[in-house]
Amino acid sequence: QVQLVQSGAEVKKPGASVKVSCKASGYTFTGYYMHWVRQAPGQGLEWMGWINPNSGGTNYAQKFQGWVTMTRDTSISTAYMELSRLRSDDTAVYYCARAGTGGYLADWGQGTLVTVSS
Amino acid sequence: EIVMTQSPATLSVSPGERATLSCRASQSVSSNLAWYQQKPGQAPRLLIYGASTRATGIPARFSGSGSGTEFTLTISSLQSEDFAVYYCQQYNNWLEDTFGQGTKLEIK
Repeated sequence: QVQLVQSGAEVKKPGASVKVSCKASGYTFTGYYMHWVRQAPGQGLEWMGWINPNSGGTNYAQKFQGWVTMTRDTSISTAYMELSRLRSDDTAVYYCARAGTGGYLADWGQGTLVTVSS
Repeated sequence: EIVMTQSPATLSVSPGERATLSCRASQSVSSNLAWYQQKPGQAPRLLIYGASTRATGIPARFSGSGSGTEFTLTISSLQSEDFAVYYCQQYNNWLEDTFGQGTKLEIK
């Protein structure tokens, strides 16, 4: 079965960067886009962008352009999301999600809590 | 950017009754609309894609309808495990997915 296992919780200071990993198993990693979605405490879901694990091509939501970087390592079936210049309002749970054939988000990781605090 | 608006923000329904949740898009998204369920402390779970196709393992009491700009998620007979927050998402514009703000379904 499809599994997406994310890295553990992080605590960062404002201005720092964070890199979250998402290890995929149970399917062909390069066959499906990987999206990233975040959720601030008590808030809704916010789409951040996607990476095509086959080509490495990326597409970021306009809000995140210039400060998010999505990469992948096909040798270990792992996707990464790095967010730089962190601010306190970047405190959120960050999810990776495997896209289905149409672009909907079929499977989700368990989430990674990133706390930004001085 | 396509804006997704869900209504109501909170819906109070008794177990066994029917719940109807709405999602409106600011422009047509064809049938590229998904619904997700999220329980406290858990990741979202895909319920419906293509506006009306149930995801694998989703009970038949969940149904989706609509196309273009107006969509509905119906839960025919609420079970205790159905009380959660529900989100719609458009994926018609593959360069910019967007979610609705969510509807909290609570026990009346």
